[in-house]
Parts: sequence; structure tokens; C-alpha cells
Amino acid sequence: SQKIEQNSEALNIQEGKTATLTCNYTNYSPAYLQWYRQDPGRGPVFLLLIRENEKEKRKERLKVTFDTTLKQSLFHITASQPADSATYLCALGGYNQGGKLIFGQGTELSVKP
Amino acid sequence: SQTIHQWPATLVQPVGSPLSLECTVEGTSNPNLYWYRQAAGRGLQLLFYSVGIGQISSEVPQNLSASRPQDRQFILSSKKLLLSDSGFYLCAWSAWGTAYQPQHFGDGTRLSIL
Repeated sequence: SQKIEQNSEALNIQEGKTATLTCNYTNYSPAYLQWYRQDPGRGPVFLLLIRENEKEKRKERLKVTFDTTLKQSLFHITASQPADSATYLCALGGYNQGGKLIFGQGTELSVKP
Repeated sequence: SQTIHQWPATLVQPVGSPLSLECTVEGTSNPNLYWYRQAAGRGLQLLFYSVGIGQISSEVPQNLSASRPQDRQFILSSKKLLLSDSGFYLCAWSAWGTAYQPQHFGDGTRLSIL
């Protein structure tokens, strides 16, 4: 069955450093991958989408890579700030799935001042 | 602009009682609608998916049902709640017609079963 795994441990980094979160998947060939941010008690908020034929996508301090050979996506936050502290979810979308997504369990990021 | 509303924000219900959670979307037409459940420290489990009025796909067998009586209204229901129904319930929408679209979430309902 399809499986998505994100960093199982919470990630603690110092302000100003680059945070790197990992999303690995098996038994699936996604057409695209999305990253979301979720704050405690709130719904996830969409950040970035990357398609299977794209290697890298950037948006301000965020960068996503997508390696379909390794079946892995990396999510980077450069010059991290305490306000970046949240849980980050990756989600996979497939062909002919009508927009349905499969979500990973999320990685909790804590940025210390 | 589009907005999504979910209510109530929190709910405490006894075992065996009925449930009705409502979700409405504004500012868009014919959206795809989704109900998810999120257990503590876990990812989102898709419960139901709808591409139009009266069209509901159930993703997992369970004690819950969903209905879409109007284009932008999605309701999650149960006739008799179980302890295992506790969790954080999220409604989301995405634009109809193409897969390469983000999902937009409401702020969820925290459901506790006693």
C-alpha cells in the first residue's frame, strides 16, 4: 500500500539557520507533491506545489525539491525565524485522482531565538 | 475571495449520541469538498470526498456519513457516536476540474466523545 514518511522526530533549529524537512514515499507514483503548514488547533495552509517533471520550486524563503527516482521531496526554509515554528505536512496527488491527496504525518519544526 | 467556514470549533458529545458538523464555502462555485480526520500527531485521513451535489465518495468504512445538499455545503453526520470517533475534523475545498490545485482548509472541529 502507499506510504508517506516525514521526519519522525521534531526538528529544533536556531534562528537564522536553514531548516530541511524530508518527505519519502513508497508504492506510489505521484503526479505532484504539495507542502502545507499547520499551526496548533488550526487547519493546514497551502505553501507550495511541485509537479513530477519539476526538480525545484522556490517561493520567498521556501524551496522544495522533488526527486522521483529517490521518491523523496525536501522542503527548505532559509533564514528561519521563530514565526516559522509549526508542523509541516507533505501531500501527494496522483493522476486521475480528482484532486485527492495522501498526507504524511507531518514534522514539527521549532525555531529557537 | 474564497472562504471556508466550519462549526462548531469544539464539541463534547456522549457515546451513542448523534453528530452533525457543517462546512460551507463562499466565493467559488462547484468546488471539490473533503472531510478529513486528524488524530493527535498524525496526518490527515481522508473520510469523504465530493465532486458535486449529492455525489459522495467514502474513503474508509466507518461510523460516519456525509451529505452535500447544496453546492457549497458539506455535512458530516453520525447516528450513534463511538469513543473512537474522537478527533480533529477538517473540511477542505479545491477548485473543480483539475488535479493540480491546492486544498483550502477550515479551522476544524475538535470532537471529544465521553
